[in-house]
Amino acid sequence: AQSVTQLGSHVSVSEGALVLLRCNYSSSVPPYLFWYVQYPNQGLQLLLKYTTGATLVKGINGFEAEFKKSETSFHLTKPSAHMSDAAEYFCAVSDRGNSGGSNYKLTFGKGTLLTVNP
Amino acid sequence: SQTIHQWPATLVQPVGSPLSLECTVEGTSNPNLYWYRQAAGRGLQLLFYSVGIGQISSEVPQNLSASRPQDRQFILSSKKLLLSDSGFYLCAWRGQGFSYGYTFGSGTRLTVV
Repeated sequence: AQSVTQLGSHVSVSEGALVLLRCNYSSSVPPYLFWYVQYPNQGLQLLLKYTTGATLVKGINGFEAEFKKSETSFHLTKPSAHMSDAAEYFCAVSDRGNSGGSNYKLTFGKGTLLTVNP
Repeated sequence: SQTIHQWPATLVQPVGSPLSLECTVEGTSNPNLYWYRQAAGRGLQLLFYSVGIGQISSEVPQNLSASRPQDRQFILSSKKLLLSDSGFYLCAWRGQGFSYGYTFGSGTRLTVV
Protein backbone atom coordinates (compact mmCIF):
# COMPACT_ATOMS: atom_id res chain seq x y z
CA ALA A 1 0.00 0.00 0.00
CA GLN A 2 1.15 3.50 -0.75
CA SER A 3 1.67 6.16 1.87
CA VAL A 4 2.86 9.74 2.04
CA THR A 5 4.57 11.46 4.95
CA GLN A 6 4.88 15.21 5.09
CA LEU A 7 7.41 16.20 7.73
CA GLY A 8 6.21 19.21 9.65
CA SER A 9 2.56 20.12 9.85
CA HIS A 10 3.52 23.79 10.09
CA VAL A 11 6.49 25.58 8.51
CA SER A 12 7.21 29.24 9.09
CA VAL A 13 9.64 31.28 6.99
CA SER A 14 10.51 34.91 6.52
CA GLU A 15 9.68 36.71 3.32
CA GLY A 16 12.56 36.21 0.90
CA ALA A 17 13.83 33.07 2.61
CA LEU A 18 14.07 29.59 1.13
CA VAL A 19 10.95 27.47 1.31
CA LEU A 20 11.47 23.72 1.84
CA LEU A 21 8.50 21.44 2.36
CA ARG A 22 9.34 17.79 2.83
CA CYS A 23 7.54 14.79 1.40
CA ASN A 24 8.51 11.13 1.60
CA TYR A 25 6.53 8.35 0.04
CA SER A 26 6.26 4.62 0.29
CA SER A 27 5.40 2.66 -2.83
CA SER A 28 6.24 -0.75 -4.20
CA VAL A 29 6.82 0.67 -7.68
CA PRO A 30 8.02 4.10 -8.84
CA PRO A 31 4.96 6.27 -8.46
CA TYR A 32 3.59 9.41 -9.96
CA LEU A 33 4.01 12.29 -7.51
CA PHE A 34 2.10 15.53 -7.08
CA TRP A 35 2.14 18.72 -5.05
CA TYR A 36 -1.03 20.71 -4.46
CA VAL A 37 -1.63 24.09 -2.82
CA GLN A 38 -4.78 25.14 -1.01
CA TYR A 39 -5.62 28.71 -0.09
CA PRO A 40 -8.23 29.30 2.63
CA ASN A 41 -11.74 28.24 1.67
CA GLN A 42 -10.68 27.15 -1.79
CA GLY A 43 -10.15 23.88 -3.56
CA LEU A 44 -6.73 22.35 -4.14
CA GLN A 45 -4.69 23.54 -7.11
CA LEU A 46 -2.01 21.46 -8.80
CA LEU A 47 1.45 23.00 -8.36
CA LEU A 48 3.51 20.40 -10.19
CA LYS A 49 3.82 16.70 -10.86
CA TYR A 50 6.44 14.10 -11.63
CA THR A 51 5.57 11.33 -14.06
CA THR A 52 8.65 10.36 -16.06
CA GLY A 53 11.83 11.94 -17.38
CA ALA A 54 13.66 14.76 -15.68
CA THR A 55 13.63 14.36 -11.93
CA LEU A 56 13.64 18.10 -11.25
CA VAL A 57 10.18 19.37 -11.95
CA LYS A 58 9.23 23.01 -12.22
CA GLY A 59 5.76 24.20 -11.37
CA ILE A 60 3.72 27.33 -11.04
CA ASN A 61 4.53 30.31 -8.81
CA GLY A 62 8.29 29.57 -8.86
CA PHE A 63 8.06 26.23 -7.05
CA GLU A 64 10.01 23.16 -8.00
CA ALA A 65 10.46 19.65 -6.65
CA GLU A 66 13.01 16.93 -7.14
CA PHE A 67 12.20 13.24 -7.30
CA LYS A 68 14.90 11.25 -5.50
CA LYS A 69 14.22 7.56 -5.88
CA SER A 70 17.03 6.50 -3.54
CA GLU A 71 15.60 8.65 -0.78
CA THR A 72 11.93 8.07 -1.71
CA SER A 73 11.48 11.81 -1.47
CA PHE A 74 9.79 14.57 -3.44
CA HIS A 75 10.56 17.75 -1.53
CA LEU A 76 9.07 21.07 -2.64
CA THR A 77 11.26 24.18 -2.75
CA LYS A 78 11.12 27.81 -3.68
CA PRO A 79 14.23 30.03 -3.50
CA SER A 80 12.50 33.11 -2.13
CA ALA A 81 9.23 33.10 -0.22
CA HIS A 82 6.54 35.64 -0.96
CA MET A 83 3.68 36.62 1.30
CA SER A 84 1.27 35.20 -1.26
CA ASP A 85 2.80 31.72 -0.78
CA ALA A 86 1.11 31.40 2.60
CA ALA A 87 -1.20 28.41 2.20
CA GLU A 88 -1.49 24.71 2.93
CA TYR A 89 0.49 22.32 0.75
CA PHE A 90 -0.29 18.69 0.08
CA CYS A 91 1.93 16.00 -1.38
CA ALA A 92 0.22 13.09 -3.12
CA VAL A 93 1.20 9.79 -4.76
CA SER A 94 -0.43 7.59 -7.37
CA ASP A 95 0.58 4.21 -8.67
CA ARG A 96 1.14 3.56 -12.36
CA GLY A 97 -1.79 1.22 -12.79
CA ASN A 98 0.28 -1.87 -13.26
CA SER A 99 0.20 -3.18 -9.71
CA GLY A 100 -2.56 -5.74 -10.32
CA GLY A 101 -5.82 -4.12 -9.12
CA SER A 102 -5.70 -0.60 -10.41
CA ASN A 103 -5.85 2.04 -7.75
CA TYR A 104 -7.83 4.97 -9.04
CA LYS A 105 -7.08 7.13 -6.02
CA LEU A 106 -4.36 9.52 -5.06
CA THR A 107 -2.94 9.07 -1.58
CA PHE A 108 -2.44 12.41 0.13
CA GLY A 109 -0.19 13.49 2.94
CA LYS A 110 -1.70 15.31 5.90
CA GLY A 111 -0.59 18.69 4.61
CA THR A 112 1.90 21.37 5.66
CA LEU A 113 0.71 24.83 6.54
CA LEU A 114 3.19 27.43 5.32
CA THR A 115 3.22 30.84 6.97
CA VAL A 116 5.36 33.68 5.63
CA ASN A 117 6.45 36.39 8.02
CA PRO A 118 7.15 39.93 6.80
CA SER B 1 -11.00 22.86 -21.73
CA GLN B 2 -12.26 20.92 -18.78
CA THR B 3 -14.03 22.61 -15.89
CA ILE B 4 -15.58 21.39 -12.68
CA HIS B 5 -18.50 23.05 -10.98
CA GLN B 6 -19.47 22.53 -7.38
CA TRP B 7 -22.32 24.16 -5.51
CA PRO B 8 -23.40 25.66 -3.27
CA ALA B 9 -20.31 27.44 -1.95
CA THR B 10 -21.65 27.68 1.60
CA LEU B 11 -24.50 25.97 3.37
CA VAL B 12 -25.91 26.16 6.89
CA GLN B 13 -28.27 23.34 7.73
CA PRO B 14 -30.00 22.25 10.95
CA VAL B 15 -29.32 18.87 12.50
CA GLY B 16 -31.64 16.24 11.06
CA SER B 17 -32.18 18.00 7.75
CA PRO B 18 -31.33 16.42 4.37
CA LEU B 19 -28.33 17.33 2.24
CA SER B 20 -27.62 17.39 -1.46
CA LEU B 21 -24.35 18.67 -2.90
CA GLU B 22 -23.83 18.57 -6.62
CA CYS B 23 -20.73 18.41 -8.76
CA THR B 24 -20.55 18.48 -12.54
CA VAL B 25 -17.64 18.23 -14.94
CA GLU B 26 -17.51 19.71 -18.43
CA GLY B 27 -15.22 19.09 -21.35
CA THR B 28 -14.36 15.46 -20.70
CA SER B 29 -16.04 12.08 -20.76
CA ASN B 30 -15.94 9.11 -18.42
CA PRO B 31 -14.00 10.89 -15.67
CA ASN B 32 -13.20 9.32 -12.34
CA LEU B 33 -15.03 11.35 -9.70
CA TYR B 34 -14.32 11.84 -6.02
CA TRP B 35 -15.83 13.39 -2.89
CA TYR B 36 -13.49 14.50 -0.10
CA ARG B 37 -14.13 16.13 3.24
CA GLN B 38 -11.83 18.37 5.23
CA ALA B 39 -12.56 18.80 8.89
CA ALA B 40 -10.52 21.40 10.76
CA GLY B 41 -6.95 20.22 11.15
CA ARG B 42 -7.65 16.72 9.81
CA GLY B 43 -6.40 16.77 6.26
CA LEU B 44 -8.29 15.25 3.35
CA GLN B 45 -10.65 12.36 3.93
CA LEU B 46 -11.84 10.44 0.88
CA LEU B 47 -15.55 9.73 1.20
CA PHE B 48 -16.59 8.23 -2.15
CA TYR B 49 -15.26 7.68 -5.62
CA SER B 50 -16.81 6.60 -8.88
CA VAL B 51 -15.23 5.15 -12.01
CA GLY B 52 -18.46 5.11 -14.03
CA ILE B 53 -22.21 5.76 -14.05
CA GLY B 54 -23.89 4.02 -11.15
CA GLN B 55 -20.55 2.76 -9.77
CA ILE B 56 -19.88 4.10 -6.29
CA SER B 57 -17.16 3.02 -3.88
CA SER B 58 -17.44 4.09 -0.26
CA GLU B 59 -14.30 4.63 1.73
CA VAL B 60 -15.73 5.46 5.13
CA PRO B 61 -19.01 4.16 6.63
CA GLN B 62 -20.97 7.18 7.70
CA ASN B 63 -24.12 9.20 7.44
CA LEU B 64 -23.56 10.09 3.79
CA SER B 65 -24.22 8.54 0.40
CA ALA B 66 -23.21 9.34 -3.16
CA SER B 67 -24.75 8.81 -6.56
CA ARG B 68 -23.68 9.25 -10.16
CA PRO B 69 -26.81 9.51 -12.27
CA GLN B 70 -24.98 10.82 -15.34
CA ASP B 71 -21.46 10.46 -16.67
CA ARG B 72 -20.31 13.89 -15.48
CA GLN B 73 -22.53 14.40 -12.44
CA PHE B 74 -21.70 13.35 -8.90
CA ILE B 75 -24.04 13.97 -5.97
CA LEU B 76 -23.36 13.74 -2.25
CA SER B 77 -26.41 13.24 -0.05
CA SER B 78 -27.60 12.68 3.44
CA LYS B 79 -31.07 11.93 4.76
CA LYS B 80 -30.40 13.39 8.21
CA LEU B 81 -27.41 15.57 8.95
CA LEU B 82 -25.38 15.25 12.14
CA LEU B 83 -23.26 17.92 13.79
CA SER B 84 -20.21 15.85 12.88
CA ASP B 85 -21.02 16.26 9.17
CA SER B 86 -19.82 19.86 9.29
CA GLY B 87 -16.75 20.49 7.18
CA PHE B 88 -15.41 21.56 3.83
CA TYR B 89 -16.50 19.23 1.02
CA LEU B 90 -14.49 18.96 -2.15
CA CYS B 91 -15.35 17.30 -5.41
CA ALA B 92 -12.60 16.26 -7.81
CA TRP B 93 -12.23 14.53 -11.17
CA ARG B 94 -9.42 12.62 -12.75
CA GLY B 95 -8.86 11.59 -16.33
CA GLN B 96 -8.45 8.01 -17.46
CA GLY B 97 -4.73 7.79 -17.04
CA PHE B 98 -2.58 7.33 -13.99
CA SER B 99 -0.30 10.23 -14.81
CA TYR B 100 -3.22 12.55 -14.27
CA GLY B 101 -3.70 14.26 -10.96
CA TYR B 102 -7.00 15.42 -9.63
CA THR B 103 -8.71 18.64 -10.58
CA PHE B 104 -10.67 19.96 -7.65
CA GLY B 105 -13.81 22.02 -7.43
CA SER B 106 -13.96 25.14 -5.31
CA GLY B 107 -15.56 23.38 -2.36
CA THR B 108 -18.68 23.68 -0.19
CA ARG B 109 -18.45 24.88 3.39
CA LEU B 110 -21.17 22.99 5.30
CA THR B 111 -22.08 24.03 8.81
CA VAL B 112 -24.59 21.89 10.65
CA VAL B 113 -26.26 23.75 13.53
